[in-house]
Amino acid sequence: GAVVSQHPSRVICKSGTSVKIECRSLDFQATTMFWYRQFPKQSLMLMATSNEGSKATYEQGVEKDKFLINHASLTLSTLTVTSAHPEDSSFYICSAREGGEGLSGGYTFGSGTRLTVV
Amino acid sequence: AQKITQTQPGMFVQEKEAVTLDCTYDTSDQSYGLFWYKQPSSGEMIFLIYQGSYDEQNATEGRYSLNFQKARKSANLVISASQLGDSAMYFCAMRPGGRNSGYALNFGKGTSLLVTP
Repeated sequence: GAVVSQHPSRVICKSGTSVKIECRSLDFQATTMFWYRQFPKQSLMLMATSNEGSKATYEQGVEKDKFLINHASLTLSTLTVTSAHPEDSSFYICSAREGGEGLSGGYTFGSGTRLTVV
Repeated sequence: AQKITQTQPGMFVQEKEAVTLDCTYDTSDQSYGLFWYKQPSSGEMIFLIYQGSYDEQNATEGRYSLNFQKARKSANLVISASQLGDSAMYFCAMRPGGRNSGYALNFGKGTSLLVTP
């Protein structure tokens, strides 16, 4: 089945530094990639939607300059948290969509990245 | 705007028993998709089951079934013969639009299920 590889799974960084998270679709072309953020014991909140070759569409309240999303190819999307602060500590997870329905309704999730900013 | 409501923050069930996790939704779309995911403590999102709004039969996948009541806008997940490994967070989600729509999933707040021996 469709697989999305997300790296790193865990990262600890110092306040003020930038962190890049990668999501790679291994056996299909991800026409659309979604980035979610999840705080402990809460739901997944959509941050942005990106289509290959276009600028990402950010949800209200999400800072575009802080969370840089690049979807340069049909198999790779990246989220860069710039100038990270402790309040950016969270679980970030991507979801890729290929055309059509597929066995899982057409959405494949990465395994998530737990970011801790110290 | 679509809204997903999961009213049960936590549920307990004894091993081998069945359990129903509630999910109601609010949408003005005629075409939409409903999903259930399991999220263990590792954080990965495990797809369980999908129901399209025009699907006439309730979806089933092994021990999982979706009790879809369109008029009541509910899509409850039924897990039969619970196992200890079923202990996890369960999220109900909805995709606006038809099967080929490219919209993001909108998630409910989740239900934490604990299966006891």
